[in-house]
Amino acid sequence: GAGVSQSPRYKVAKRGQDVALRCDPISGHVSLFWYQQALGQGPEFLTYFQNEAQLDKSGLPSDRFFAERPEGSVSTLKIQRTQQEDSAVYLCASSLGGREGNQPQHFGDGTRLSIL
Amino acid sequence: SQKIEQNSEALNIQEGKTATLTCNYTNYSPAYLQWYRQDPGRGPVFLLLIRENEKEKRKERLKVTFDTTLKQSLFHITASQPADSATYLCALDMKRADTGRRALTFGSGTRLQVQP
Repeated sequence: GAGVSQSPRYKVAKRGQDVALRCDPISGHVSLFWYQQALGQGPEFLTYFQNEAQLDKSGLPSDRFFAERPEGSVSTLKIQRTQQEDSAVYLCASSLGGREGNQPQHFGDGTRLSIL
Repeated sequence: SQKIEQNSEALNIQEGKTATLTCNYTNYSPAYLQWYRQDPGRGPVFLLLIRENEKEKRKERLKVTFDTTLKQSLFHITASQPADSATYLCALDMKRADTGRRALTFGSGTRLQVQP
């Protein structure tokens, strides 16, 4: 596709349920990032992949959060036993090169997660 | 601690005027600084990147300055139009205080409203 695609666009889940969010990056992009964005705030870094390798997961808020990119393209962010504080917009971004700050990042439109 | 500050109050200007948005940062010396535009319900869109050894960068009606002494970047939109109304985010490649690893760190953004 022409851009980064995320699905679903909206997800409502009951507290305690598991959810899976999908990201389809721009074809050929080596780097993939997940961010969490609260209302009125900028995106906050969660995790980074270079191809299929998860090189940095230091931003994941708890061990309930898990991300994978098994074939170096599509990525899934999974949240287990969801809590109300997990409600946020989850953004995925990809870039052509590495994670250095000289690379523009291309964002999807995010998944808005609401935990009831 | 490292901080990125953008004016949280919305900036309201008349069509045709120049909009100037400010991004201040503390306790870090980034090699690169990026500006993104974000519309409601959409992901951020990359606009411009400026390097620490560049004082100014232009792209069409957009101009970014980077003063590493003041630790400040200014983002200008000349001849502003109602279609420029959006939230503008600055982002720096910063070392995370908790892990020492680098990640693109975003400010909370400034909402610009251009009145016709």
